[in-house]
Amino acid sequence: AQSVSQHNHHVILSEAASLELGCNYSYGGTVNLFWYVQYPGQHLQLLLKYFSGDPLVKGIKGFEAEFIKSKFSFNLRKPSVQWSDTAEYFCAVNTPNTGGFKTIFGAGTRLFVKA
Amino acid sequence: KAGVTQTPRYLIKTRGQQVTLSCSPISGHRSVSWYQQTPGQGLQFLFEYFSETQRNKGNFPGRFSGRQFSNSRSEMNVSTLELGDSALYLCASARDRGGGSSDEQYFGPGTRLTVT
Repeated sequence: AQSVSQHNHHVILSEAASLELGCNYSYGGTVNLFWYVQYPGQHLQLLLKYFSGDPLVKGIKGFEAEFIKSKFSFNLRKPSVQWSDTAEYFCAVNTPNTGGFKTIFGAGTRLFVKA
Repeated sequence: KAGVTQTPRYLIKTRGQQVTLSCSPISGHRSVSWYQQTPGQGLQFLFEYFSETQRNKGNFPGRFSGRQFSNSRSEMNVSTLELGDSALYLCASARDRGGGSSDEQYFGPGTRLTVT
């Protein structure tokens, strides 16, 4: 069965620090990869996604992620975090199987950015 | 355009009762998925509906069921509620232009279910 592991459950950073959140998945075939973010009191929303092509993908608000197939990883990065990045971040995977969505989410990482 | 809406937003039920939650997808979206979010288990996939048919299913007991109507609106039902069913239930819709799982999913605000 597919699974997604996020290495850190809680991360505390100061503003302007760099961020890297780890994500590993277990599935040997073709995957679609996502990072979602849930700001306090808001809906889950898409940060960025990878389907194919350039393994370095850029998302909203200065976030980017790199797909490393050999490591089954899809780590999220941001060079300089802001207080407004305080949120919970979820890595997610689905597979283009017979069609449709069966998205598997990681447990989430709560990021707190100190002003 | 309007986002995904879910009703009700909050619900309190007693163990043993049943509950029905509703989801209206974004106009034009044909795929609707349901997820259960709890602090301990995170986000877990329940099922996905497309064109009134269940297309994918997660690993939940048969007490959890759903359906989709011809206008793509979806409902999920939980029968014989247990305390462990207390969670935030999220609905997500996607256009599914034939790309299947490659399309972006849009999430609703969720229904917070408390079972006492």
